[in-house]
Amino acid sequence: NAGVTQTPKFQVLKTGQSMTLQCAQDMNHNSMYWYRQDPGMGLRLIYYSASEGTTDKGEVPNGYNVSRLNKREFSLRLESAAPSQTSVYFCASSEWAGTGGGETQYFGPGTRLLVL
Amino acid sequence: AQSVTQLGSHVSVSEGALVLLRCNYSSSVPPYLFWYVQYPNQGLQLLLKYTSAATLVKGINGFEAEFKKSETSFHLTKPSAHMSDAAEYFCAVSDRRTGGFKTIFGAGTRLFVKA
Repeated sequence: NAGVTQTPKFQVLKTGQSMTLQCAQDMNHNSMYWYRQDPGMGLRLIYYSASEGTTDKGEVPNGYNVSRLNKREFSLRLESAAPSQTSVYFCASSEWAGTGGGETQYFGPGTRLLVL
Repeated sequence: AQSVTQLGSHVSVSEGALVLLRCNYSSSVPPYLFWYVQYPNQGLQLLLKYTSAATLVKGINGFEAEFKKSETSFHLTKPSAHMSDAAEYFCAVSDRRTGGFKTIFGAGTRLFVKA
């Protein structure tokens, strides 16, 4: 049981290049998320997917697109990378456990992206 | 609107000393509250969560947190710090109505443990 996996672990891009960050989970969770982490700012939600076939914008969606390919996979695409997108990107998944259990998010190991 | 404030971006304690990481939240509805820990070069993992079953919540590695509605606080404590506790800690709040889709994370507190 690998949990949440992300590829690549590290990437360097030049301004204007594109790339896709891949995420997969094997916990059969319905919900998946993409966050970015920047120093002193905690985690900020980029996009989320409540279930297969649906996606919605989070707090900082500009410059990103997502695809929920199937229940397991949720990818994040940068069409034209900018230096402001230099960050650490985390994918997470979760399942609603009812009002008594709430919802715990499970995180991948992250992708470190540097845009020059 | 929900928000989370973590007091102190850095906290330093000696090994064996009390650990206290502060978190205050704002929520218009009864919240779920979480503490996550992030070790270097890793993702976040759940330390403990409050779901209204009990105000004192025990988590992994000897950590616990107490929900105080009157103070809108959810501070994290551990009686005796260990070197392995050095990490970054995030407090988070989510809305019972929207669940994880609207989880708000604090800015994080980095814990340093001195030998």
